Amino acid sequence: GNSVTQMEGPVTLSEEAFLTINCTYTATGYPSLFWYVQYPGEGLQLLLKATKADDKGSNKGFEATYRKETTSFHLEKGSVQVSDSAVYFCALASGNTPLVFGKGTRLSVIA
Amino acid sequence: DGGITQSPKYLFRKEGQNVTLSCEQNLNHDAMYWYRQDPGQGLRLIYYSQIVNDFQKGDIAEGYSVSREKKESFPLTVTSAQKNPTAFYLCASSPPGTFTDTQYFGPGTRLTVL
Repeated sequence: GNSVTQMEGPVTLSEEAFLTINCTYTATGYPSLFWYVQYPGEGLQLLLKATKADDKGSNKGFEATYRKETTSFHLEKGSVQVSDSAVYFCALASGNTPLVFGKGTRLSVIA
Repeated sequence: DGGITQSPKYLFRKEGQNVTLSCEQNLNHDAMYWYRQDPGQGLRLIYYSQIVNDFQKGDIAEGYSVSREKKESFPLTVTSAQKNPTAFYLCASSPPGTFTDTQYFGPGTRLTVL
């Protein structure tokens, strides 16, 4: 079945540092890949998505590229801010299979 | 404003009692979902519904029940058969289509069973 593995946290960075959160997946067919973000005390919201190989999703300075050859969808940001502190979830879905989430990575950015 | 509402934000119940969590959406979405979130576990799918009067079990449906009598509403009942009900519950919806469409989440209900 489909599964997602993402790096365990927590991740603590200083403001303006470079962020990478690794995500790899196992899936049959050609899934769509997502990053969702959860700010403290809230539900999840979509950060970015990619629907086919080599697509790059981007939003709010975050980027992730759908790499079929390495089955990866790593999240990156060049310069994090305190306001980026949240839990980040990698997820995948295919046409007949609902979203499957990774366990989440908590990011704390300190000033 | 369109969105998903979940009420209440915090809910306390005694062990052995059934409890129903509310989820309402005014996004005109056909599909709705219930997830359970536990620390370090990510989100796990409880039930989902792609159309009114129809729903399917997710990965952890035991001890839960749902109904989908209206497009806007998808209430979740946590029954006394659920062995460890204390958790954060999230409802989501998505447009008609495949599961690859973006899901929109409510703010969640934190259930504590005493």
